[in-house]
Amino acid sequence: AQSVAQPEDQVNVAEGNPLTVKCTYSVSGNPYLFWYVQYPNRGLQFLLKYITGDNLVKGSYGFEAEFNKSQTSFHLKKPSALVSDSALYFCAVRDRADRGSTLGRLYFGRGTQLTVWP
Amino acid sequence: DGGITQSPKYLFRKEGQNVTLSCEQNLNHDAMYWYRQDPGQGLRLIYYSQIVNDFQKGDIAEGYSVSREKKESFPLTVTSAQKNPTAFYLCATGIYYEQYFGPGTRLTVT
Repeated sequence: AQSVAQPEDQVNVAEGNPLTVKCTYSVSGNPYLFWYVQYPNRGLQFLLKYITGDNLVKGSYGFEAEFNKSQTSFHLKKPSALVSDSALYFCAVRDRADRGSTLGRLYFGRGTQLTVWP
Repeated sequence: DGGITQSPKYLFRKEGQNVTLSCEQNLNHDAMYWYRQDPGQGLRLIYYSQIVNDFQKGDIAEGYSVSREKKESFPLTVTSAQKNPTAFYLCATGIYYEQYFGPGTRLTVT
């Protein structure tokens, strides 16, 4: 079974400080991993993905994430947080065995609310 | 959100009424999905479809129905059998391993 865990419902950080939003996953095979961001009453916006290759993935708005296979983690990071980064963040996973099928579904975590205070 | 339209943004209905949520896309993507979002529960998959006239149940399909008569359209009907329909509903399209989301419809049933 595939699943994603985001162990923190909320993360609070001061502007200018580094931020980390944690994600661990479980898949039967190898994963595709994603981070999405959601602002209030909006749809999800894609931030970054890990498909293959370099374990450190860079994405939109200065975010990056590191794929760690041994720890089955894909934590989202940013060196210097902005107040505008405050939003709800979702981690998602898909089993690589679904490759070639557009029907491959994503499994989402429950989300982590990030608050950056001035 | 570009390329995927969900209407209306806010929808209010009385209990016992069926209601249909619209999802239209011009991305030419084969796959389409409906998710339900409740506070603290993440996204839960309701239905998904790969091609016209074909769709499959997701994890919480009870009380919902869909159709896929055109590639561009994947409407979701929330029936009176859905016991707790008030939620934020998100439509998405998919190609290869990526999904793209619409802006969502907030449904309130009283």
